[in-house]
Amino acid sequence: AQKVTQAQTEISVVEKEDVTLDCVYETRDTTYYLFWYKQPPSGELVFLIRRNSFDEQNEISGRYSWNFQKSTSSFNFTITASQVVDSAVYFCALSEADTGNQFYFGTGTSLTVIP
Amino acid sequence: DAGVTQSPTHLIKTRGQQVTLRCSPKSGHDTVSWYQQALGQGPQFIFQYYEEEERQRGNFPDRFSGHQFPNYSSELNVNALLLGDSALYLCASSFLPGGDTQYFGPGTRLTVL
Repeated sequence: AQKVTQAQTEISVVEKEDVTLDCVYETRDTTYYLFWYKQPPSGELVFLIRRNSFDEQNEISGRYSWNFQKSTSSFNFTITASQVVDSAVYFCALSEADTGNQFYFGTGTSLTVIP
Repeated sequence: DAGVTQSPTHLIKTRGQQVTLRCSPKSGHDTVSWYQQALGQGPQFIFQYYEEEERQRGNFPDRFSGHQFPNYSSELNVNALLLGDSALYLCASSFLPGGDTQYFGPGTRLTVL
């Protein structure tokens, strides 16, 4: 079974629109970590955020915000006022203490911001 | 502060050959993980090295092997290459093998003909 599901394969928005990328995870572990990475066309994964399972506070960093809800096993990512430079593939990942903290990645969401 | 580096950038091999990919971790990191990313897919965990030992392994055959050196750098070896091994191979480093953030290198694009 897929541990991380990113149901949105591709999203296109017009510049300055807000966009939310969904991430649903599955785990029985009580200690786990959630991550978001950005992969531009160059291929290198760029770290965006890390959240542990005991901290459900939402976080805002500039135009980026994250909504962590354990009740629905979701860790969604919102970009406000999108820009062309936000165009990339975004990956959500899960790391569980019980499985040695290996990373499980979703299949990614390809975001295109149209100028 | 140097980030994660990988070499080579691109590689073309033929079926049955062997390949070695190299990775130097971010300064201060002692744990290296390797991932395979097929086109259009998310990265798949191959294995993780810490203190020169393989600590965790994903669902990959024994043709995939690795090594970590005393300076924390690492190699990924793939024997008897198959067409399906064509992918982007990513190296990530972290401080300790726990749930720490993993920082990724630019990857090595392997093409098997």
